[in-house]
Amino acid sequence: QITLKESGPTLVKPTQTLTLTCTFSGFSLSTSGVGVGWIRQPPGKALEWLALIYWDDDKRYSPSLKSRLTITKDTSKNQVVLTMTNMDPVDTATYYCAHEVIDEYGGHFDYWGQGTLVTVSS
Amino acid sequence: DIQMTQSPSSLSASVGDRVTITCRASQSISSYLNWYQQKPGKAPKLLIYAASSLQSGVPSRFSGSGSGTDFTLTISSLQPEDFATYYCQQSYSTFTFGQGTRLEIK
Repeated sequence: QITLKESGPTLVKPTQTLTLTCTFSGFSLSTSGVGVGWIRQPPGKALEWLALIYWDDDKRYSPSLKSRLTITKDTSKNQVVLTMTNMDPVDTATYYCAHEVIDEYGGHFDYWGQGTLVTVSS
Repeated sequence: DIQMTQSPSSLSASVGDRVTITCRASQSISSYLNWYQQKPGKAPKLLIYAASSLQSGVPSRFSGSGSGTDFTLTISSLQPEDFATYYCQQSYSTFTFGQGTRLEIK
């Protein structure tokens, strides 16, 4: 049974750096064909993909946010960490992590965490 | 960047109706297209991957079709639990989601 759970601060101040941790179970991020991604959703708005890390440590980032994002993994702890610098109120959103499976047409997110709401405010 | 445009943005329908949601990519993405369902306050749920493959456990009333730039998600007979927001997502070049289609009860 695959589960993922996001953790981190619920409130950050503008200009601060956000660090979110995704702790997962039921799979290993050292298994070929597996990745963990981060997706966010501002209140009442659409989903936005942020970043993804693969089993082989290959990393992908949203082009529009690439300069602010870093994704890392700790395979021994079954964790993936996302950092986002220079937070702004427009970054207020629910942040999800998700398990990604590579298929013949890229990949898809088949398991998701419950999400964590991060508010950016002074 | 590949842009994904869904239509309509919202839709009212009745239980038992056949519903189709469209997703258009700004460039050809072959079959690199997934569909998700999201209910209020919940994480998205994968329905269809690779344009037409039904995710395990998803009812067969959901189907996907299309290739290239134009894709559709069809619900053959709406059930009360299907009223939700639906998102398409391309996986051809990193990932991009559509803006969502909100399916409401008429």
